[in-house]
Order: sequence, then C-alpha cells, then structure tokens
Amino acid sequence: SAVISQKPSRDICQRGTSLTIQCQVDSQVTMMFWYRQQPGQSLTLIATANQGSEATYESGFVIDKFPISRPNLTFSTLTVSNMSPEDSSIYLCSVESQGGGETQYFGPGTRLLVL
Amino acid sequence: SQQGEEDPQALSIQEGENATMNCSYKTSINNLQWYRQNSGRGLVHLILIRSNEREKHSGRLRVTLDTSKKSSSLLITASRAADTASYFCATGFYSGNTPLVFGKGTRLSVIA
Repeated sequence: SAVISQKPSRDICQRGTSLTIQCQVDSQVTMMFWYRQQPGQSLTLIATANQGSEATYESGFVIDKFPISRPNLTFSTLTVSNMSPEDSSIYLCSVESQGGGETQYFGPGTRLLVL
Repeated sequence: SQQGEEDPQALSIQEGENATMNCSYKTSINNLQWYRQNSGRGLVHLILIRSNEREKHSGRLRVTLDTSKKSSSLLITASRAADTASYFCATGFYSGNTPLVFGKGTRLSVIA
C-alpha cells in the first residue's frame, strides 16, 4: 500500500487568490494523479504528473489555472490559481503503489472553499 | 467523460440487511476498483477486480464482474451503521500507472 498525506486539509480563500496543495507519498512512485471532486459529485481527473516531465492535463483543465510541480518521486504540488467560487471542491491526489498491482491509493483530500 | 454509472444513486437500509450497488461501464477495462468515501473525506480502497476475474471477496464485501455485460456489483452483507458512506466504482483501462475513471457513486445510509 501507499500512505499519502496532503496539506492543507482544508482552507477558505478569497476569490482571485491562489492556493498550493501539497501531496507527499511514503514511497517512490512513477505517476501521481490529481483529481477534483465538486460538491455532491464524483471525482474528475485534472492531470497526471510524471517526475521529470510536464504534467498531462485532461480536457477542460489547463496549466495556467492548475499548475503542477513534480520535483521528485515522492512529492507533488497542485496550485489552484485565480480562484473563483466555482473552484470550491475537494482536491485529491492519488498514486499506484509500486509492486501493488493496479490498486490506486488516495490522499485524505484538501477541502477548498472560495468566497 | 465518466465511464461508470452506479445505481442506485441512493440506498437506505436497516442495519443487518444486505446492500447491493451496481456499476456499469462502456468500454473494455483492465480492472475495476471500488472505493468508500465518508462525509467528503478521502477515498478508502475496498477491492480491485481484474477483467479476467468474475468474483472477489473481502470480509463482508463481495464484488462481481461481468465483462460481457460491462457491469459490476458490490454486495455488503450484514450492514452496519458504520457502513454509511458514498461508494464509487472506478475503472482502469490499462495495466499499471493509468488514472481511473469514476462513476457517480451510490450514497448508502444504514439505519440503526
């Protein structure tokens, strides 16, 4: 398995500001995934982050709005830029544990409220 | 676009009863995973079933997969109030390091 931590666990932000969410994994992993869960909805993939290369974004998500860093094999950040109330969501990172088959593990999530 | 569709969207049962949730998907998959989420918190992985498997068990959980019908079911036996949560199915298209596509989820309420 993989143990994933995220910071912050929650935040309340003003529109127009930016927030950087950190994701730390207890083991080295190739890929890290960032998802968004809007209120009452399911999870939607934002992007895939591979160490040493630029993140790959899904349709509807752009790098200027959601820049991602992946400086090493255990850490990644997602920034939500120029926030609006529509960005209020839970943001989750996930990884596939090395040697664990295809099982994907999720962090506890960051609950963001934009006023 | 989302791959999985769960039904029912919401399910309310009495403690001790069994709960069955269904998931359908549209294209071929490598694996299907079920998760539980309590009150908007992080996702807890319940069980993974691969496309060449038909049934798996884990404690009070039983998962089936029918690739011909592109559907899966999650059965929770002898439900408890602590099982109250949202349950999601997620499909993986390939083997290894690929993101999952989530269904809309089923909200399960177990009444003591």
